[in-house]
Amino acid sequence: EAGVAQSPRYKIIEKRQSVAFWCNPISGHATLYWYQQILGQGPKLLIQFQNNGVVDDSQLPKDRFSAERLKGVDSTLKIQPAKLEDSAVYLCASSLGRRTGSSYNEQFFGPGTRLTVL
Amino acid sequence: AQSVTQLGSHVSVSEGALVLLRCNYSSSVPPYLFWYVQYPNQGLQLLLKYTTGATLVKGINGFEAEFKKSETSFHLTKPSAHMSDAAEYFCAVREGSQGNLIFGKGTKLSVKP
Repeated sequence: EAGVAQSPRYKIIEKRQSVAFWCNPISGHATLYWYQQILGQGPKLLIQFQNNGVVDDSQLPKDRFSAERLKGVDSTLKIQPAKLEDSAVYLCASSLGRRTGSSYNEQFFGPGTRLTVL
Repeated sequence: AQSVTQLGSHVSVSEGALVLLRCNYSSSVPPYLFWYVQYPNQGLQLLLKYTTGATLVKGINGFEAEFKKSETSFHLTKPSAHMSDAAEYFCAVREGSQGNLIFGKGTKLSVKP
């Protein structure tokens, strides 16, 4: 079974530029998550999708960050304009869906995109 | 609100020695608890999880953790460290089966030959 795919793996931009990240979840996984992992910290949830609807975006800085999941499969996360403090690893994860039972909600993580903002 | 505290941002052990990584949590409802491992330039991989039932859980690569409700702890142990265990380890808590994962800041494990 193929894992969660993310691209690009690395990105370097200057502040005030825009950037987009792409995620392809595990086939059949209804729930998709984007996390931000700043150096020295644990991952922090930015947004969660169930199919193509947003479940939780309370931690997403909506003035500069946006995300979409068209057709309930692939997802893109965009930052516009980027700030220095956006330098981080952006992790995508997916799970089967929100039902009772812990195994149903196990999250599988992609390798991440490392963003450096200069 | 849930939170996770990992004691020690960096732990160093000798190969063959006991590994002990500490995690304390707070949760208003019975928690689900997780340990993830992250190797350089890779995503997170689930090591083990506690949901309900037996409080001592075994995971991959010889790791295990014990849920102690009275101490609000979920420490990760491995009897004998291997060089390949060098990585960063994250403890996470979730409120039941439906909540979001809340991660600790991570503990970087170094293994000396």
